Amino acid sequence: DAGVTQSPTHLIKTRGQQVTLRCSPKSGHDTVSWYQQALGQGPQFIFQYYEEEERQRGNFPDRFSGHQFPNYSSELNVNALLLGDSALYLCASSLGGDSNQPQHFGDGTRLSIL
Amino acid sequence: AQSVTQPDIHITVSEGASLELRCNYSYGATPYLFWYVQSPGQGLQLLLKYFSGDTLVQGIKGFEAEFKRSQSSFNLRKPSVHWSDAAEYFCAVIVLYGNKLVFGAGTILRVKS
Repeated sequence: DAGVTQSPTHLIKTRGQQVTLRCSPKSGHDTVSWYQQALGQGPQFIFQYYEEEERQRGNFPDRFSGHQFPNYSSELNVNALLLGDSALYLCASSLGGDSNQPQHFGDGTRLSIL
Repeated sequence: AQSVTQPDIHITVSEGASLELRCNYSYGATPYLFWYVQSPGQGLQLLLKYFSGDTLVQGIKGFEAEFKRSQSSFNLRKPSVHWSDAAEYFCAVIVLYGNKLVFGAGTILRVKS
């Protein structure tokens, strides 16, 4: 049973560039959430996708956007990268978009901005 | 807005000793409560969750947590710590009918032999 997979594992970009991160949910899951974890902090909610639509969004600027595909996989896009965007980006999947369904996390993508 | 406080940034315990990690939340209603563990370079693994019912919940790896409504707390415990428990532990909440996890800042557990 494949868990949540994320790609790439590491990425280095420069300021002003754009980046796309990818996530495949755990088998049977249809809901994907994205989190940003800065060094030494807990994860911060970016947004959640369910039925190919953004259901809820955290306090992140419009530079952060996403997409969910019919197979439930998801992408996180970040435009005009800033140094402060350096972080571990975590994808979590769950079933049905209900709050009583635990979210299962991938190992994350480590994004470094130079 | 709801928030989660983990008062201890670092905790060091001896192998075989008992462990308690503290977590307090701020929200008017009872949220769903979770504990996750993160090893270096890895994602988050769910240890246990509380939705309703019995306030003492059992999780994986011998961990348990107790929900105390009067104290808005959800502390994580383990009777005997193993060296492999060294990691960072996060308490998190989801408010009812919400979808986003709100995390505490985490507690780093060190285990000394």
